[in-house]
Amino acid sequence: DAKTTQPNSMESNEEEPVHLPCNHSTISGTDYIHWYRQLPSQGPEYVIHGLTSNVNNRMASLAIAEDRKSSTLILHRATLRDAAVYYCIDGGATNKLIFGTGTLLAVQP
Amino acid sequence: EAQVTQNPRYLITVTGKKLTVTCSQNMNHEYMSWYRQDPGLGLRQIYYSMNVEVTDKGDVPEGYKVSRKEKRNFPLILESPSPNQTSLYFCASSLWFSGNQPQHFGDGTRLSIL
Repeated sequence: DAKTTQPNSMESNEEEPVHLPCNHSTISGTDYIHWYRQLPSQGPEYVIHGLTSNVNNRMASLAIAEDRKSSTLILHRATLRDAAVYYCIDGGATNKLIFGTGTLLAVQP
Repeated sequence: EAQVTQNPRYLITVTGKKLTVTCSQNMNHEYMSWYRQDPGLGLRQIYYSMNVEVTDKGDVPEGYKVSRKEKRNFPLILESPSPNQTSLYFCASSLWFSGNQPQHFGDGTRLSIL
């Protein structure tokens, strides 16, 4: 069972920032938080992951709450190509990624 | 280019006719895994492999077999396919399995079993 909670869907306008929230209140202290996304007709794609402090890469930023019970994926300027299902994953499983239902992000031109 | 390659991308076949979906990665990854994705059920793990000659069942292994004779390949075998195995299948790999390793996924194989 997925151990994270995300909104089913969100909408954004092109070229605006997007903040995708995730709750993971049962995450253990040593487990990473991962974000993947799945574009239509493609396999899941790694976006970013982190443990405690905020993380940045060329795709996005990850802001992790101080108590680690929630995190936010930040897309700084949404484009139409960012329309996808975004999965927040508690990285604590021993042999797999546990995907929930994710957040379907729609980007309006 | 680093990638996970699955073949075929699409296949329509009939019940009982053995088929193999191949998965190959060129990143020298130790860990490989198969998932299936169904509407309303999300992605579920079928089998995984921590290294060559080491495989184990995931959450939904019934009706599937795998092998890992060499590091780069991890084929998924359906010995006697049935309609309930109609699904979208993804292969994934990572350097090794840990909570700190990103996984790379293939583009998927859509199987229809009639």
